[in-house]
Amino acid sequence: AQTVTQSQPEMSVQEAETVTLSCTYDTSESDYYLFWYKQPPSRQMILVIRQEAYKQQNATENRFSVNFQKAAKSFSLKISDSQLGDAAMYFCAYRSALRDDKIIFGKGTRLHILP
Amino acid sequence: DGGITQSPKYLFRKEGQNVTLSCEQNLNHDAMYWYRQDPGQGLRLIYYSQIVNDFQKGDIAEGYSVSREKKESFPLTVTSAQKNPTAFYLCASSPDREGYNEQFFGPGTRLTVL
Repeated sequence: AQTVTQSQPEMSVQEAETVTLSCTYDTSESDYYLFWYKQPPSRQMILVIRQEAYKQQNATENRFSVNFQKAAKSFSLKISDSQLGDAAMYFCAYRSALRDDKIIFGKGTRLHILP
Repeated sequence: DGGITQSPKYLFRKEGQNVTLSCEQNLNHDAMYWYRQDPGQGLRLIYYSQIVNDFQKGDIAEGYSVSREKKESFPLTVTSAQKNPTAFYLCASSPDREGYNEQFFGPGTRLTVL
C-alpha cells in the first residue's frame, strides 16, 4: 500500500526567507500524481501545487516550487520569500494514476512564519 | 459562485445519537469524498462516491454511513456505533476519476460529542 511521510511536524521560518518542507512516499507504481495542499487557520484546504510523476521538470507556482526526486521517492516543497499568509498546515498527498482515485495524505507540517 | 458547502459549521451531539453532516457541490463533479481530520493524524478517508447511487468504504468507514442519491449531494451520517466521533469532517469533490485532477474541499464541520 502507498504511504506518505512528512517527517517535520512543525517548522518555523523568518518572514521573507526560504523554507523547504519535506515529503517522502512509498509506492511500487510508476505513474502517479503528487500534491501539496495548504490548510490555513480557517481550515479551508487549498491546492498549492501538483506534479505528474512522468514529468521530470519540477512544478512551480509563483513563490512555490517542488523538488521532485522520483528515484528517491521524495517530493519537497520550497516556499520562497515567505509571507505571514503562508502560515498554515501543509499536507503532501499521493494519487495513483492507475487504480482508484483515492488520495493518500501525509500527516502534515505546521509552518510558522516569524515576523 | 461554484463551490462546496458543508453545514453546519459546528455540530454538537449527545452520546448515542445519530447525526447527519451535509455536503453539497455545484461544480458538476462526479466524485465526492468524506474525510475525518484529527490532530496529528492528517486526513483519513471515510467514504467516497464516484457516481450517483454508488459509494465505497474508505479506510475508517466503521460507524459511518453515506448516500449518493443526487450528483450534487453526499451526506454523511455519524452513527452511535462510532466510538470516538468528535473530530473535524471535510467533504471534497473531484471532476472525475482522472488522477491528475485535484480534490476541491468544503469548509468543514466540527462535530463535538457531549
